[in-house]
Amino acid sequence: RKEVEQDPGPFNVPEGATVAFNCTYSNSASQSFFWYRQDCRKEPKLLMSVYSSGNEDGRFTAQLNRASQYISLLIRDSKLSDSATYLCVVNYGGSQGNLIFGKGTKLSVKP
Amino acid sequence: DAGITQSPRHKVTETGTPVTLRCHQTENHRYMYWYRQDPGHGLRLIHYSYGVKDTDKGEVSDGYSVSRSKTEDFLLTLESATSSQTSVYFCAIREAGRTGELFFGEGSRLTVL
Repeated sequence: RKEVEQDPGPFNVPEGATVAFNCTYSNSASQSFFWYRQDCRKEPKLLMSVYSSGNEDGRFTAQLNRASQYISLLIRDSKLSDSATYLCVVNYGGSQGNLIFGKGTKLSVKP
Repeated sequence: DAGITQSPRHKVTETGTPVTLRCHQTENHRYMYWYRQDPGHGLRLIHYSYGVKDTDKGEVSDGYSVSRSKTEDFLLTLESATSSQTSVYFCAIREAGRTGELFFGEGSRLTVL
């Protein structure tokens, strides 16, 4: 069974804090990995892809650990606008793209 | 923003009635998807399409059918709606070769009474 597990949270942090989310996946054949962001009652939007060597986009850093089968998302200097649910997404391959979505981790950034 | 629209955005219907949700894109992307999202579950794939008239089942396809007669339109039909199909339905599109990079519509909230 292909599964993607996330801590549902909520993570309640003050502005300016650093927060990290982890996500574990069950199938070692997984090919690619992504983080999506979903605001309350809105559609998911791609936040960033996760590369094997790790990658950074401004205050966001994504890491992949294939040996332990987890990916992480680090948010530095949290802003109120970062409040959202973060979805971990794993591509298990195939030309059609077999994406499995985690249930999401909710982040609430407080003033 | 990607040109993708869903209609209707909200619908309340009764058990046993047919329902069709429409997804329309202006991006000419080959791949289109229908997902449902429910509390306690991640997004789950219902059906997807990889071209005109080319569709396949996803994880939770029972009770749903789809059609794609034009590149820009992907229809999701509930032949006889049940209360378990109360959900938020998202359509998504992606370019060929960009697996994992989905653009979602705003969602269609369906309530089956």
